[in-house]
Amino acid sequence: SQTIHQWPATLVQPVGSPLSLECTVEGTSNPNLYWYRQAAGRGLQLLFYSVGIGQISSEVPQNLSASRPQDRQFILSSKKLLLSDSGFYLCAWNRGLAGTQYFGPGTRLTVL
Amino acid sequence: DAKTTQPTSMDCAEGRAANLPCNHSTISGNEYVYWYRQIHSQGPQYIIHGLKNNETNEMASLIITEDRKSSTLILPHATLRDTAVYYCIVSLADNYGQNFVFGPGTRLSVLP
Repeated sequence: SQTIHQWPATLVQPVGSPLSLECTVEGTSNPNLYWYRQAAGRGLQLLFYSVGIGQISSEVPQNLSASRPQDRQFILSSKKLLLSDSGFYLCAWNRGLAGTQYFGPGTRLTVL
Repeated sequence: DAKTTQPTSMDCAEGRAANLPCNHSTISGNEYVYWYRQIHSQGPQYIIHGLKNNETNEMASLIITEDRKSSTLILPHATLRDTAVYYCIVSLADNYGQNFVFGPGTRLSVLP
């Protein structure tokens, strides 16, 4: 069966510090991968998606970036965090052209 | 913007059926209806999806009206653990999931 991991589970970072969140998927190959952000009490906002190694599509311009160095690894980064980057970050995957996405446990980021 | 509208919140007595409505009046012929739920501080969990016909699985039933402009998610015997935010999403199946738009959802409270 497929499993999706995210770490860290929680993170507190000062404004202006860098960020690196990691997501990995097990039990499947060539997944589509997604990064979402959820502000408190709000729905999910799609940030990036990737259909293959090295391929990244950005949905929302911001100071975040994403990379996919390996088939089942997706990384969300920032060089300098802003207060507005606080939120719950979710990674998800699906296969091919199938709509159903499966989500990881999330990382709660607090920028102080 | 989400293509769906859902009530902000609903209550349901434990052991009774929970019926969660969703309006998607602008749904196109090849768009599916997906339902997810999110328990506090966890990633969204896939529940069910459908195109035209009613669907049932071990978690829930999905009833889609004949004109496909609305649907209802039914949890047949709600338990306290079903307390969560429920999201209704309409999306093409033949895309890479970037049109998966999560609105604010319905906050379901199952009461003892």
